Amino acid sequence: ELKVEQNPLFLSMQEGKNYTIYCNYSTTSDRLYWYRQDPGKSLESLFVLLSNGAVKQEGRLMASLDTKARLSTLHITAAVHDLSATYFCAPGSSNTGKLIFGQGTTLQVKP
Amino acid sequence: EAGVAQSPRYKIIEKRQSVAFWCNPISGHATLYWYQQILGQGPKLLIQFQNNGVVDDSQLPKDRFSAERLKGVDSTLKIQPAKLEDSAVYLCASSLEGGVGHGYTFGSGTRLTVV
Repeated sequence: ELKVEQNPLFLSMQEGKNYTIYCNYSTTSDRLYWYRQDPGKSLESLFVLLSNGAVKQEGRLMASLDTKARLSTLHITAAVHDLSATYFCAPGSSNTGKLIFGQGTTLQVKP
Repeated sequence: EAGVAQSPRYKIIEKRQSVAFWCNPISGHATLYWYQQILGQGPKLLIQFQNNGVVDDSQLPKDRFSAERLKGVDSTLKIQPAKLEDSAVYLCASSLEGGVGHGYTFGSGTRLTVV
């Protein structure tokens, strides 16, 4: 059964700093999704990574995928308070259509 | 396009009572999912439908939970009888077959509190 581990689970950082969230998964997946969730809200899709070496960037967030290492990263550049939220990674399978989520990383950006 | 619709938004029930949640997916999305998200955790897949057939219900506590997707469109998730540990947000999602591209769309969820 696919297991997904994110670290750290909680991250408190100052505005302007850089940091990386890691997502490890246990079995082969051919795609990986990153989602954002604000308190009391649903899940907002950020990125979908479809191949080994895929890199996608949107604003201050950049996601990458290494399928051989079964590792995805979400890099935050020059954090701002608006990025405060919980971030989930979710490996998926085009065969099964199943999406399995990690525990989430709660990011708190302090002014 | 309209999003995934869920109702109700909130529900408070006593333990041992029953409750039902409703989901209307995006038109044309063949695959529908129900997830349970306990506070502070990631969403956990309960059941996955492809059209009106069940693809995966291995994590569904079948002694108390049931779900159906008649006619391959709307879906209902029922809990009977509810336990305290069922307090969670129940998220419905839909996708094009296989979750192609950005095909997964989540509803706003139903927040269930069992007292």
